Amino acid sequence: KAGVTQTPRYLIKTRGQQVTLSCSPISGHRSVSWYQQTPGQGLQFLFEYFSETQRNKGNFPGRFSGRQFSNSRSEMNVSTLELGDSALYLCASSLTQGRAEAFFGQGTRLTVV
Amino acid sequence: AQTVTQSQPEMSVQEAETVTLSCTYDTSENNYYLFWYKQPPSRQMILVIRQEAYKQQNATENRFSVNFQKAAKSFSLKISDSQLGDTAMYFCAFMKQRAGGTSYGKLTFGQGTILTVHP
Repeated sequence: KAGVTQTPRYLIKTRGQQVTLSCSPISGHRSVSWYQQTPGQGLQFLFEYFSETQRNKGNFPGRFSGRQFSNSRSEMNVSTLELGDSALYLCASSLTQGRAEAFFGQGTRLTVV
Repeated sequence: AQTVTQSQPEMSVQEAETVTLSCTYDTSENNYYLFWYKQPPSRQMILVIRQEAYKQQNATENRFSVNFQKAAKSFSLKISDSQLGDTAMYFCAFMKQRAGGTSYGKLTFGQGTILTVHP
């Protein structure tokens, strides 16, 4: 069974640009969550999608948005990039029913210059 | 809101020895899950062990076991017979449980403990 796939793995963008990251969950998983990881702030929850609906949202500005498609694949978008958006962005998928483990992808390393 | 605290920024242990990583959390919820995740230098986040709050029995997975003290809101991880491959950042994480046993899907993480296993 394939794991969680995130693309691209690495990205370099210029301040002010926008970026879209993609996440394909494990087959059968309908919940997808996004996290930002930085050395200073650690791992912070961005948002969670389930059946194409945002169920939870973290404390991030409106420049951060996401969506989920009918096949459970998810994208997150960051507009008007700032230097502080440089981070590892992790996506996790889970079943939500029964065993509650979240399985993570390898992440997208975003560098804003 | 939930908070998770890992008070040990760094730990080290000799190969084959035992080490315990500490984690405390704060919540008003009664039903929840607790996890330990491992993040090696590859940055891939790997689930090590999970614990349901309603279960009194401590979870074990091979060389990994937890000491779950619900009243004290403590959730420590014990690694026995440490191996070089255990070198990684370890995160303690909390997830609320919805009614019906489903999860919220949102993890709250501690700041992490860097564990180094020396040969």
